[in-house]
Amino acid sequence: SAVISQKPSRDICQRGTSLTIQCQVDSQVTMMFWYRQQPGQSLTLIATANQGSEATYESGFVIDKFPISRPNLTFSTLTVSNMSPEDSSIYLCSVEDRGRLTDFGSGTRLTVV
Amino acid sequence: DQQVKQNSPSLSVQEGRISILNCDYTNSMFDYFLWYKKYPAEGPTFLISISSIKDKNEDGRFTVFLNKSAKHLSLHIVPSQPGDSAVYFCAAQAGNTGKLIFGQGTTLQVKP
Repeated sequence: SAVISQKPSRDICQRGTSLTIQCQVDSQVTMMFWYRQQPGQSLTLIATANQGSEATYESGFVIDKFPISRPNLTFSTLTVSNMSPEDSSIYLCSVEDRGRLTDFGSGTRLTVV
Repeated sequence: DQQVKQNSPSLSVQEGRISILNCDYTNSMFDYFLWYKKYPAEGPTFLISISSIKDKNEDGRFTVFLNKSAKHLSLHIVPSQPGDSAVYFCAAQAGNTGKLIFGQGTTLQVKP
């Protein structure tokens, strides 16, 4: 399976600021995704990170709040902008690399104070 | 509108016994299902999957059963081990999009 590295693993941020999360994969992958897990909740897909074009966002998520970059087939970033306490969550990068199997990074635990 | 549901938030079993985790779905377009295990402070780890053309898939101690008519799948762990204690998520996919819809998760505790 793909090895997925996420940075930072955790952070505590002030409201109104922004945080950029990095995701690095050890092999080239076509599909990369960003998920969010709010406290006590399930995982929810934020967007598909498309290489060379704009990300595709799911209902309820917008580019201004969660800008995503995908400069190549092994790297992506997710920015959480103008943070509020409601953005406190675990943010997860994932890739589909073996048929229809999806692997996840270890996640970024974000706390907004 | 929860398309994938895991109605049991928690399950406790004795070591060596069988653990059965259940998952229900509503979208008949789902054609691929996956189970993940998640420890605190880690990302989900893939366990086992099943295509909608099958009704059973087995991998070691883990077996997934799919009942399409009932829109129900279950994960069986036999025998259960204390190291299996974690949160288990059921996920579903409609077509080869890579996008996953997750259930709420079931916390499994295996007691020694």
